[in-house]
Amino acid sequence: RKEVEQDPGPFNVPEGATVAFNCTYSNSASQSFFWYRQDCRKEPKLLMSVYSSGNEDGRFTAQLNRASQYISLLIRDSKLSDSATYLCVVNPSNTGKLIFGQGTTLQVKP
Amino acid sequence: GAGVSQSPSNKVTEKGKDVELRCDPISGHTALYWYRQRLGQGLEFLIYFQGNSAPDKSGLPSDRFSAERTGESVSTLTIQRTQQEDSAVYLCASSLAGLAANEQYFGPGTRLTVT
Repeated sequence: RKEVEQDPGPFNVPEGATVAFNCTYSNSASQSFFWYRQDCRKEPKLLMSVYSSGNEDGRFTAQLNRASQYISLLIRDSKLSDSATYLCVVNPSNTGKLIFGQGTTLQVKP
Repeated sequence: GAGVSQSPSNKVTEKGKDVELRCDPISGHTALYWYRQRLGQGLEFLIYFQGNSAPDKSGLPSDRFSAERTGESVSTLTIQRTQQEDSAVYLCASSLAGLAANEQYFGPGTRLTVT
């Protein structure tokens, strides 16, 4: 079993749609969680951290369920510029070593 | 300010040759990481440096891979006797400290092609 699993997609949605991505992780002792965004042939960039109580940043909402070892990202009112690969990232220990999922590709169409 | 820089941006090498990839982290960042990303795949952790502590080499795939870091500055990743399966983008990242919550900033990567 992979340490971090994501549905690779692609998710093809129209502008304005709401889309949700899910991710599961295998290490129950994992310390911290993130969503990174990666544009085609570019480096990953942090989108948002994921907190236990859930957190929101504009159109983006992240949720964490430690009991189910499940992380989600919700994007509301999708924009063309949201088209990218979204990487679920887990820190399994109290160091900076990150474990990346393979990513979920989102394509927002006009 | 300046971000993480990597060189070269592209490298084509023949099977069996050695290659050296360079990373310049953000000034003041004590932690530095190397990852590998094969085509269509997620990032694989390779090695992690934190200050003067012994590096975490747990992700290095074989003894052909090694990395060094001089103090809290430049790092080099060396791949000896390259194989075709080493073809990938090698990404370097740095953060303020090697703590769980610190954001990692990535460089643009070195695209390695082994022919």
